[in-house]
Amino acid sequence: DVQLVESGGGLVQPGGSLRLSCAASGFTFNTYNMQWVRQAPGKGLEWVSYIGGSSSTIHYADSVKGRFTVSRDNAKNSLYLQMNSLRDEDTAVYYCARDPGFFDYWGQGTQVTVSS
Amino acid sequence: SYDLTQPLSVSVALGQTARITCEGNNIASKNVHWYQQKPGQAPVLVIYRDKNRPSGIPERFSGSNSGNTATLTISRAQAGDEAVYYCQVWDSITAHVVFGGGTKLTAL
Repeated sequence: DVQLVESGGGLVQPGGSLRLSCAASGFTFNTYNMQWVRQAPGKGLEWVSYIGGSSSTIHYADSVKGRFTVSRDNAKNSLYLQMNSLRDEDTAVYYCARDPGFFDYWGQGTQVTVSS
Repeated sequence: SYDLTQPLSVSVALGQTARITCEGNNIASKNVHWYQQKPGQAPVLVIYRDKNRPSGIPERFSGSNSGNTATLTISRAQAGDEAVYYCQVWDSITAHVVFGGGTKLTAL
């Protein structure tokens, strides 16, 4: 079965950094594009970042461009999101999702709280 | 940027048909995907590429896409269908994923 498990969330002060991980299993990881999506408390879904299977194509939402970096390690079946210069408005549950052109599998999410 | 507009809420009587719309400029030229999210849970794909159902999604869920409006239709609505539904497209001009604001479906 396909499984995506996020980790690395937590409480961080404004201006701080966090690195999220997404461990994938149950499918051939390197053949799939992957995505990060977040959801602020009581709000809708917001796309964060896309990375192609070979990491050759990467895209970011305007709200995180220049602060967040997506990467993957296909040998470890893992996806990452390095988040720097965090702001209050980055507080959200962060989901990783598999992308064969749509988000067919999602992880359960990891909570990131930015607060002093 | 490309925008998707959904109604904030839709109500449906149990056993009746609910229709949730997603409006965007010439949305018919794009592939539209729909997700269901229940409280405290991750989203679940219910329709992909306008009208296709993933395995495990009941036939009661269907989709269409024409002109400036894509529609998710839920037939014979059940209490368990209560959730927030999001439409989503890929905007090739900006290379951004776009989500609609979400529609809360209430079964009466």
